[in-house]
Amino acid sequence: AQSVTQLDSQVPVFEEAPVELRCNYSSSVSVYLFWYVQYPNQGLQLLLKYLSGSTLVKGINGFEAEFNKSQTSFHLRKPSVHISDTAEYFCAVSDRLGIYNQGGKLIFGQGTELSVKP
Amino acid sequence: DGGITQSPKYLFRKEGQNVTLSCEQNLNHDAMYWYRQDPGQGLRLIYYSQIVNDFQKGDIAEGYSVSREKKESFPLTVTSAQKNPTAFYLCASSSRYEQYFGPGTRLTVT
Repeated sequence: AQSVTQLDSQVPVFEEAPVELRCNYSSSVSVYLFWYVQYPNQGLQLLLKYLSGSTLVKGINGFEAEFNKSQTSFHLRKPSVHISDTAEYFCAVSDRLGIYNQGGKLIFGQGTELSVKP
Repeated sequence: DGGITQSPKYLFRKEGQNVTLSCEQNLNHDAMYWYRQDPGQGLRLIYYSQIVNDFQKGDIAEGYSVSREKKESFPLTVTSAQKNPTAFYLCASSSRYEQYFGPGTRLTVT
């Protein structure tokens, strides 16, 4: 069975500072990895995904994440945050076999609330 | 514009009433999902469907029912058997790799 742990439930940071949101996963099979962002009272929007290839993945809004297979981690980073980045961020994992079944189930972490202060 | 629509945005019901949440997609995706979101608990899978006329229970299916008569539509009924139905409900559909989410419906039952 797979699981996802987001190591910080809340991350406060000042505007223009760098930020890292941590995500660890557990799986006995190869996985695909995702980061989603959710603004208040809205649905989730895909920030970036790791499917294969380069372990450094770039996404929208200046975010990037690095897949580390040995540490089973997929941490999200941004070098300089803006007030508009204030939102909840979710890490998710899907096993590759599930994907071939026309859309795999995603397992989500509990979320990290990023709060950017002026 | 392709996407997922959920209606209504806000829904209020009295305890003991069944209520149906709408989810429609025009992305031509085969797979669709319903999640429930509560503060501090992330997203929990209620039901999912990988093809028309077929669906499977997720982790918290008790008190919910679904149908999948059309590829585009996957309505969720919250029945009176659901003990704590007040929550934010999210519908999603899936390409081969990632899920796309609708804007959500906030259900309040009093």
